[in-house]
Amino acid sequence: KAGVTQTPRYLIKTRGQQVTLSCSPISGHRSVSWYQQTPGQGLQFLFEYFSETQRNKGNFPGRFSGRQFSNSRSEMNVSTLELGDSALYLCASSVRGQGQNTEAFFGQGTRLTVV
Amino acid sequence: LAKTTQPISMDSYEGQEVNITCSHNNIATNDYITWYQQFPSQGPRFIIQGYKTKVTNEVASLFIPADRKSSTLSLPRVSLSDTAVYYCLVVNDYKLSFGAGTTVTVRA
Repeated sequence: KAGVTQTPRYLIKTRGQQVTLSCSPISGHRSVSWYQQTPGQGLQFLFEYFSETQRNKGNFPGRFSGRQFSNSRSEMNVSTLELGDSALYLCASSVRGQGQNTEAFFGQGTRLTVV
Repeated sequence: LAKTTQPISMDSYEGQEVNITCSHNNIATNDYITWYQQFPSQGPRFIIQGYKTKVTNEVASLFIPADRKSSTLSLPRVSLSDTAVYYCLVVNDYKLSFGAGTTVTVRA
């Protein structure tokens, strides 16, 4: 079956702009989570959606937001981009959530560069 | 959320067994121990998950002692392609908290 698809793979934006990243989960998966990975901070949890509802949120400013559609596809938006937002943004999907006894499948990520 | 501690890096040679030990002293009753592998510029990949004793799949084994305060990931007969970062996580809710991971370098 097809894996988790993230688009675009690479993106260059200017400070102050906003960006939207897309994630298509594995068919049948209802949970989608987003992570930010930087060399300095490592992999950090942004938020998780399940059946169109945000179920969990990490410690990121309100400039980071997301949503999930009825087909489980998810988008992540970052407004007023800062240089420090440059990172690899990863999306992960799972059947019911990344909790116990479940496996999360990650996409290849979107590499965002803010200049 | 229970914090995990694992070595920053490990070196090995092709054909050897690699064992990575992770400490999770504050693990809770409902927590599961999960390991992920990540190659550069790719998303992490699930390796194995366990609750107690021993779990084995086609790529690795996971050993968890009775007190569950630590766990050991065992990679048998590694190859150059096993060079990656390995993350130990303790999971019981809807988010994964990744630590710094262990960079395993396999040499010929």
